[in-house]
Amino acid sequence: AQKITQTQPGMFVQEKEAVTLDCTYDTSDQSYGLFWYKQPSSGEMIFLIYQGSYDEQNATEGRYSLNFQKARKSANLVISASQLGDSAMYFCAMREGRGDYKLSFGAGTTVTVRA
Amino acid sequence: DGGITQSPKYLFRKEGQNVTLSCEQNLNHDAMYWYRQDPGQGLRLIYYSQIVNDFQKGDIAEGYSVSREKKESFPLTVTSAQKNPTAFYLCASSRQDFKNTEAFFGQGTRLTVV
Repeated sequence: AQKITQTQPGMFVQEKEAVTLDCTYDTSDQSYGLFWYKQPSSGEMIFLIYQGSYDEQNATEGRYSLNFQKARKSANLVISASQLGDSAMYFCAMREGRGDYKLSFGAGTTVTVRA
Repeated sequence: DGGITQSPKYLFRKEGQNVTLSCEQNLNHDAMYWYRQDPGQGLRLIYYSQIVNDFQKGDIAEGYSVSREKKESFPLTVTSAQKNPTAFYLCASSRQDFKNTEAFFGQGTRLTVV
């Protein structure tokens, strides 16, 4: 069964605008971690932001923030003030708290920033 | 500088051959992972390992094998049983401490069957 679902295969956003990337997850664990990564066309994976299941506040890192809705099992990434360099593929990932550190990724969302 | 090194960057394999992709890390991480990525797709977990001499199958382990004889190294062998091996392969590692332990990735190996 798919653990991480990203329903938006591709999105266009105007430069300087905000964009929200959706991510829903499925787990029966109480303790888990959620991650967002960026993958530019070069293929490297760049870690952006982390949210723990017990964290009470939404995570923020610069222009990135995570809208965490635990009851809905949703962990959406918000990129504010989009820049041309934000054009990339974005992946949501989850590590469940079973102790074996399995890290699973969603299918990704391609973001294209227009000037 | 600490990091993860994958080699080679590009690899060509003939039908029926086994090939081994190298992954070395000097971050002193316990956990290591191998992922496969097809064009325009997400990352699918092949194998992962928490400690030396132990590893678990991921979601698409068939046709692949791994070893973890040293903490620093987690090589992936793509066997002839893997019918469609052409893909981008990413290796990652992370600390075993659960909280906020993001995975660090190598630059990837692009494997092509010729």
